[in-house]
Parts: sequence; structure tokens; C-alpha cells
Amino acid sequence: DVKVTQSSRYLVKRTGEKVFLECVQDMDHENMFWYRQDPGLGLRLIYFSYDVKMKEKGDIPEGYSVSREKKERFSLILESASTNQTSMYLCASSLEAGGTYEQYFGPGTRLTVT
Amino acid sequence: AQSVTQLDSHVSVSEGTPVLLRCNYSSSYSPSLFWYVQHPNKGLQLLLKYTSAATLVKGINGFEAEFKKSETSFHLTKPSAHMSDAAEYFCAVSGGSYIPTFGRGTSLIVHP
Repeated sequence: DVKVTQSSRYLVKRTGEKVFLECVQDMDHENMFWYRQDPGLGLRLIYFSYDVKMKEKGDIPEGYSVSREKKERFSLILESASTNQTSMYLCASSLEAGGTYEQYFGPGTRLTVT
Repeated sequence: AQSVTQLDSHVSVSEGTPVLLRCNYSSSYSPSLFWYVQHPNKGLQLLLKYTSAATLVKGINGFEAEFKKSETSFHLTKPSAHMSDAAEYFCAVSGGSYIPTFGRGTSLIVHP
């Protein structure tokens, strides 16, 4: 079974702090994704990575950056957290970026910025 | 370009009655279509997917969906709802090799 793990289930940070969210997958997938999930808005893609050190902006990259130094690990960074970044963050991985290949999701990190 | 519209934000059913969650899509390419389920405080789990083989797709936990090209729809059904089906359901489309686009989700409420 594919397993995607996220470093924290719940996180509380203060405005202006630098925040790191970590994601690890164990299936040697090339592609990894970070989504933000808000009620009524569904999943919105922040960034994705199709290879080590490669990244592409998604639909809402502002205020976020990412790092992929190893194939199995994909980090989301909030450079200076703001209250409007309070949300559920979901990491996913897949064998291919799109087409017929499904995504495998982690359990999510619920981030609160106060 | 591609998009997904989930026609209902909430669906409420009684246990034992049929479930219908509606999804319409738009895609410039032959689409792959997915339904995912998310139980409270969990990540998304794949229920089923359509990838241009049979138009009626069977998934886990008794769910199935039918791809209708003429109607650009991919509705999810289950003959008899169970309390454990209460969750958020997401439809997603991937045209060509594009990254999937997700709908806004449908919350399924199951009453005893």
C-alpha cells in the first residue's frame, strides 16, 4: 500500500512565523503535490513537483514556497504565516502528474495561524 | 482547459435509501474521471476512476459511477446508504496529461 505521511496533524503558529509542513511518500512516485482545502472551495493546488528539485506553481502559490531535495520528501514553506493561511493542507503523490493515474493523499495538516 | 462542477454541496439521505452525487465535467481532451471520499479529519481516498474503458465503473464499498459523454457527467451512485458513508465526496477530472482538477465537494449526510 502506498503511504503518504505528513509531519503534523495539527499545528498552531503565530502571524509572521516561518512554517514548514513536511510530506513523505514511500512508493517512489515522481510527482508530489500540495493542496489547500477550505470549506466550499474544494482542493486548490498550491505547488507540485515532477522530479527532485523541480517544481511548478499551481493555482494559489502566493505566500508559499516548496522544496524537494529528495524524491520521497516534499516540503511546503510559509515564509511569513498570515491568518488567511489558516486551512487544511493536504499532500499527495502519484506515479504520473495527470491522465489516468490517481493521487494518494496524506491525512492532512490542520494549520491555525493566530 | 478542464473543470468540474459538483451540483450539490450537501446531499441528505436516510440509511438504506439510494445515494446520488452529481458531477459534470468539461475537458478539451478525453478525460479521466475520479471520485474520492474524505472521512472527517482524514485524507482523500480513491473510490473509483474512469479511464476510457467500460463506461460503468464499480468502486469500493458498493459505489459505482457511469460516464456519459453526451451529458458530460460522471454521477456517483450507491443502491443503499450506510451510516458509514457519511463523508465528503470529491469528483476530479484529468484531461490528457493535465493535473486533476477537483470539484468543490459534496457533503453526504446519512440519517438513521
